[in-house]
Order: sequence, then C-alpha cells, then structure tokens
Amino acid sequence: GQQLNQSPQSMFIQEGEDVSMNCTSSSIFNTWLWYKQDPGEGPVLLIALYKAGELTSNGRLTAQFGITRKDSFLNISASIPSDVGIYFCAGPRGNTDKLIFGTGTRLQVFP
Amino acid sequence: DAGITQSPRHKVTETGTPVTLRCHQTENHRYMYWYRQDPGHGLRLIHYSYGVKDTDKGEVSDGYSVSRSKTEDFLLTLESATSSQTSVYFCAISDVGTRNTEAFFGQGTRLTVV
Repeated sequence: GQQLNQSPQSMFIQEGEDVSMNCTSSSIFNTWLWYKQDPGEGPVLLIALYKAGELTSNGRLTAQFGITRKDSFLNISASIPSDVGIYFCAGPRGNTDKLIFGTGTRLQVFP
Repeated sequence: DAGITQSPRHKVTETGTPVTLRCHQTENHRYMYWYRQDPGHGLRLIHYSYGVKDTDKGEVSDGYSVSRSKTEDFLLTLESATSSQTSVYFCAISDVGTRNTEAFFGQGTRLTVV
C-alpha cells in the first residue's frame, strides 16, 4: 500500500538553527498535511497544502507541496525550545478520505 | 481539541477480554477515524467512518471492529484483547473529508493489555 517516508528520523539541533525535513511517497498525493505532536498529546495541524507547487507559511514554519505531488517539505526557521516534538506528514490515500501518516521526524532543540 | 473526547484515557485489561473505546465529538463532523500509535510506526489507521453506519477498514483493522450509530460517537472494540494491541489509540474527526480539509485529533487513550 501507499507509504509515506519521512526523513530524517530524528534531529538534534541548537536553538536558533533552521530545520528542514521532508516526506516522500511512491504515489501521488493531492493533499499534504503537516502535524506536530507534543508528548502525551494528540497531533495538532501545522500547515495544510492542497495544490502542487503551493508554498505556505505559518509563522516560522514554511511547507511546500512538491511539484511532482510525491513529496512535501517542512522548514522551521530560528528554532526555539518549544519546537521540540514529533513532526508528521499525512495525506489521504488515493482517491479516498483515508488519512495516512508518515513515521515522523523527532526534533530535539538544545539551548 | 476541536470538541473531541476520548474515553477512557487510560485502561489496563487482561488478554482475552473485550474492550471498547469511545470517541465523542461535538462538532457534527461527518468523518471519524481511529488510529493506533506505536514506536517506530507513526500513526496507523485502524478504521474510519464517513457517516452514520458507514465504516471502512484502514491499514491495521484485524482484531478490531467499529460502530457508528450516531454522528457524535464512534466506538472501537477489541473483541478479545491481545498483548500486541497494547498501544496509544487516537480518534480524529474531519468535516468534509481529508481530501478537502484537515483532521483534528483527540488526546488519546493509552491501552495496556497484560
């Protein structure tokens, strides 16, 4: 079935650094969603992308919908300690509303 | 939490016993989802519902059943719990489906099968 591959699996960075992560698939997606999960909580939506090539920002976060529709990227600028968490990409499978998730990128930020 | 309540939040049960987890929403959203989260696997879809009495299987549906008798409630049942079903379970809701909009998540239920 469709799989979403996220990289890197984990990142250890210093406060103030920029972060880049990506999500790739062997199949085309028509929607890309980026979520963040804090410990003990459910995932929270960061950015939603609905059009190939779309570039969307939410504060220090910027995400792009890859032009091939098989990938998406999330960048975080000037990281701060509260950016710590697990970041997931997600998208509906095929022409359905079954939302599937990548395996996540775990981000640690050191002061 | 977008008006989503999961119950119970924590449960310990014995192997072979039936378990039902409840997801309740106050948003009147059409779509509801059940996921499980395990280390190294991210979130995997168990079942989802696209309306009252309309459900479909996800990626890891074996050993699970669901029911949706009214818009606001989506129940996940483990007919005979096994240790491999120890996990954190999340419910999510979506208004017009995830092809067109995002899904919002509850806070999760931690289930331990001993």
